Amino acid sequence: GQNIDQPTEMTATEGAIVQINCTYQTSGFNGLFWYQQHAGEAPTFLSYNVLDGLEEKGRFSSFLSRSKGYSYLLLKELQMKDSASYLCAVRDSNYQLIWGAGTKLIIKP
Amino acid sequence: ETGVTQTPRHLVMGMTNKKSLKCEQHLGHNAMYWYKQSAKKPLELMFVYNFKEQTENNSVPSRFSPECPNSSHLFLHLHTLQPEDSALYLCASSQEWAGGPTDTQYFGPGTRLTVL
Repeated sequence: GQNIDQPTEMTATEGAIVQINCTYQTSGFNGLFWYQQHAGEAPTFLSYNVLDGLEEKGRFSSFLSRSKGYSYLLLKELQMKDSASYLCAVRDSNYQLIWGAGTKLIIKP
Repeated sequence: ETGVTQTPRHLVMGMTNKKSLKCEQHLGHNAMYWYKQSAKKPLELMFVYNFKEQTENNSVPSRFSPECPNSSHLFLHLHTLQPEDSALYLCASSQEWAGGPTDTQYFGPGTRLTVL
């Protein structure tokens, strides 16, 4: 079966750096997405990786290793507003998105 | 208004009620999706419409009935639901279903459904 694993919850301190990991086993691979979802709000698109390596977008970066079935989302200079759930999703060979259950990130002052 | 909108934002219904959820996208997309989001579970894809045609129905019970009158509007009709159907129902849109690796889905804020 297809599976996406990510930690259920993480805690970090304001101003620090946090890395949220995502491992996947899917039928084929056509890209990996990260979304941010604040409580009671819509998931919003953060990043997309299809080739190995690091994609940087301001304070957020996303890394992909296709051979290891592994990605991480790196958040720098954490702010209180970064408290949210972070969803990892992989597009499989049928172009269907397979979703992880999300990682709830708690930021403490 | 921009993006993807959903109404109502909250809905409480009894098991014998009939209600409908509405989604509208203002992005000029051709594909629309219904997802179910339950606490601590992955998003579950329910239905996909591409150019107004239903392309996916992931074994969803018949008490959920989708309708897509045009590429901008999507409805989910609800009838004789069960308490376990209580969840957040998210609508999303993208340029085209299976439109390519970079096709990105954009979500509405969801309808929080409670079935008593």
